[in-house]
Order: sequence, then structure tokens, then C-alpha cells
Amino acid sequence: DGGITQSPKYLFRKEGQNVTLSCEQNLNHDAMYWYRQDPGQGLRLIYYSQIVNDFQKGDIAEGYSVSREKKESFPLTVTSAQKNPTAFYLCAAGVSGELFFGEGSRLTVL
Amino acid sequence: AQTVTQSQPEMSVQEAETVTLSCTYDTSESDYYLFWYKQPPSRQMILVIRQEAYKQQNATENRFSVNFQKAAKSFSLKISDSQLGDAAMYFCAYTEYGGGGTSYGKLTFGQGTILTVHP
Repeated sequence: DGGITQSPKYLFRKEGQNVTLSCEQNLNHDAMYWYRQDPGQGLRLIYYSQIVNDFQKGDIAEGYSVSREKKESFPLTVTSAQKNPTAFYLCAAGVSGELFFGEGSRLTVL
Repeated sequence: AQTVTQSQPEMSVQEAETVTLSCTYDTSESDYYLFWYKQPPSRQMILVIRQEAYKQQNATENRFSVNFQKAAKSFSLKISDSQLGDAAMYFCAYTEYGGGGTSYGKLTFGQGTILTVHP
């Protein structure tokens, strides 16, 4: 099946630990995005990448890092510097704002 | 900075009836795209409909249509003949138009409207 694959679906982290969320696409899109969703709020952009080996900070990049070594992959690392990491994370790929989203990863800090 | 506002946190509709979800936005750009995305209980976001700002004609996709008022910066979604499967959170979103710019394709989302469909 074509689309965006995120893993894991659920992830628990102890305070002080870094965790990495995986995002893989087989849609052949150049641009990929990471969004964070909190209850009662819309999606907020963390990082985005428009081409391999290049990425830009979004609106809430502090405490997060990304890499884009392959067109198909755009992993997100939630570092210990992120003070409130418990959230739902969505990865997307697409063009001109028409985005295909993954099923999301729910991160909970214990 | 662009902002997108959805003033209706929750809406409800009877099955087979029509409902309209509201969205306003603020931008200084003249060319842009507007979207409605749907997030069902499965949490996977799905594109419902798209509108290019330079087009005067309102976009339509089957039972979904928009009322785009560029001067008023208003972009509402009308769902006709509502079905139980339409129950979801709906997000209005905006992005600038034009390839090559760093903002191109970045979506700014509203806060969302939860739509409940009653049988």
C-alpha cells in the first residue's frame, strides 16, 4: 500500500530520555513535515524538509531534531530538552498543501 | 504571520441534513491555498477539499462544498446529506501559493471543529 508509515504507534518515555519517531513514505514526495497535536488544539508545525539533506524549523522546533538522509525517511527525535513532550505526533508528505498523513504516534512521558 | 480561526469548537447535525462549518483567516498575501481536512476517530488526517485563492468559483467535492469569500477572508465548509461517517474533527488550513519559497506547502491549521452526526 502506498502512503505514510509512522512507528511506533504508542511510545512511553521516561523523563530525560531521547526518543525517535520513525516516518517513512513511498509516495515519492520531496516535501515532508512533522506536526504536533495537543488536545483541543490544531496541528502545529515542528520541522519540515523540502528536499533531501535539507530541513527547516517550524513554529515549535525547540527540543526536537530531525534528519533527512533519504527521500523516503524523515525521523523525528524528541530530546530531553523538550519540556512537555506528551502529545500526538503526525508525519506528512505532499505538495502545495495537499498532504498525506500517517496514522500518528502517541508519545507519553512517564 | 498567517492565522486561521475556527470559532465553533463543536457542531452537531442530524443524519441527511446540511451543516456549515466556519473558518476565517488572516493573511497579507494575495495568492494562497485553503483546505479542509478531516480527522476521524482513527486520528488519520484526510484531505476533504481544496480552494485556490485566485479562483472565484467555489470548490465542490461530492457532498462537500465551500463558500470562499476572499475579501472577508472567510472559508466555510458545507456538508450536505450528512452521513454517520462524516463525524470527525474538521480542520481549516492555509498555505501560501508559489513554488520555491520556504513557506510553500507549510500548512497553518485552525483549532478544529468537532462534528457530531445524530442518526
